[in-house]
Amino acid sequence: AQSVTQLGSHVSVSEGALVLLRCNYSSSVPPYLFWYVQYPNQGLQLLLKYTTGATLVKGINGFEAEFKKSETSFHLTKPSAHMSDAAEYFCAVSGPYNFNKFYFGSGTKLNVKP
Amino acid sequence: EAGVAQSPRYKIIEKRQSVAFWCNPISGHATLYWYQQILGQGPKLLIQFQNNGVVDDSQLPKDRFSAERLKGVDSTLKIQPAKLEDSAVYLCAVTSGGGWQFFGPGTRLTVL
Repeated sequence: AQSVTQLGSHVSVSEGALVLLRCNYSSSVPPYLFWYVQYPNQGLQLLLKYTTGATLVKGINGFEAEFKKSETSFHLTKPSAHMSDAAEYFCAVSGPYNFNKFYFGSGTKLNVKP
Repeated sequence: EAGVAQSPRYKIIEKRQSVAFWCNPISGHATLYWYQQILGQGPKLLIQFQNNGVVDDSQLPKDRFSAERLKGVDSTLKIQPAKLEDSAVYLCAVTSGGGWQFFGPGTRLTVL
């Protein structure tokens, strides 16, 4: 089975600073990769996804992530944090043999300080 | 466009009571999932349906949890009897045309 590791259960940045949330997966064969955001009392909302093609993926709200096969990583970044980015972020993978089954990381709670 | 409604949004019960959750996808989706999200953790798959059939229920505690999907559209998840450790958010999701999962807002269950 796949495993997804998100380093840092809590990350705190100042408004305007770089956001970097880390995600590593276990498969040696590239899976599909996703980042979701969850605001309080809401479901998960897709930020961005990588399936095939360009390894740098741009998502909503200015976020992007880069798939690095050699590092089995899919870190999420945003150049300048905004107060509205405060939320919990989940990395997920599906595949490489069953793309209908998703595995989620344990989440990283992002705090943005004024 | 995918869309998933869930009800109720919040539920408080005492241990050993029964509870049911509903998931209503707005448009037809072949694959439907129920996840359990305990506070501070990522979603854990409970059961996956393909149309009316169960594809994966390996993580479903079958002695107390049950789920069904009606006519390949709506779904219900039931817990009977509930335990304290069942306190969690229960999320319903469907697969979009783009291969990603679209989630409903969830039902927050508190077992006292």
